[in-house]
Amino acid sequence: DVKVTQSSRYLVKRTGEKVFLECVQDMDHENMFWYRQDPGLGLRLIYFSYDVKMKEKGDIPEGYSVSREKKERFSLILESASTNQTSMYLCASSSPGGPNQPQHFGDGTRLSIL
Amino acid sequence: GENVEQHPSTLSVQEGDSAVIKCTYSDSASNYFPWYKQELGKRPQLIIDIRSNVGEKKDQRIAVTLNKTAKHFSLHITETQPEDSAVYFCAASPTFSGTYKYIFGTGTRLKVLA
Repeated sequence: DVKVTQSSRYLVKRTGEKVFLECVQDMDHENMFWYRQDPGLGLRLIYFSYDVKMKEKGDIPEGYSVSREKKERFSLILESASTNQTSMYLCASSSPGGPNQPQHFGDGTRLSIL
Repeated sequence: GENVEQHPSTLSVQEGDSAVIKCTYSDSASNYFPWYKQELGKRPQLIIDIRSNVGEKKDQRIAVTLNKTAKHFSLHITETQPEDSAVYFCAASPTFSGTYKYIFGTGTRLKVLA
């Protein structure tokens, strides 16, 4: 069974802080994704990575960066946290084995920026 | 840009009745359509998916239909039960460099009334 683990379920930070959200998967998946989930807006893609040290911008990358130094770990970085980044953040991973490979999600990190 | 519209945003049904959720996508290159169920406070979990070369797929009480010409697909849940209450997300996957990035709909909150 695929396991995607996010380091924190709840996190509270202050505006201007640099925030790190960590995600680890145990299935040797090439693809990893970071989404944010907001009521009425669904899941919006922030960044994704299809290999170590590779990254691609998603639909809402502004204010975020990512790091993928190892295959199993994908980190989301808020360079200077702002209150509009208060949200639920979801990490996912998938195999590139074909067009019908599902994404597997972690439990999410609920981030509050005060 | 790429877009997935999902309707309705909320749906209430009596236990035992059927529920239908509809999604429309914009990118004709989309070829994979997963559906996720997210219970309160939990991760989104894949419940069924369909590829573009298939018109319908069933799994017990759940079915998905796809109309590629009209660019829409639907989730059908029959004999609904209280445990079906959750938020359901559709997604479309326009292939990009093999990463199978998803575009999600905005979600449907289904309430099954006992």
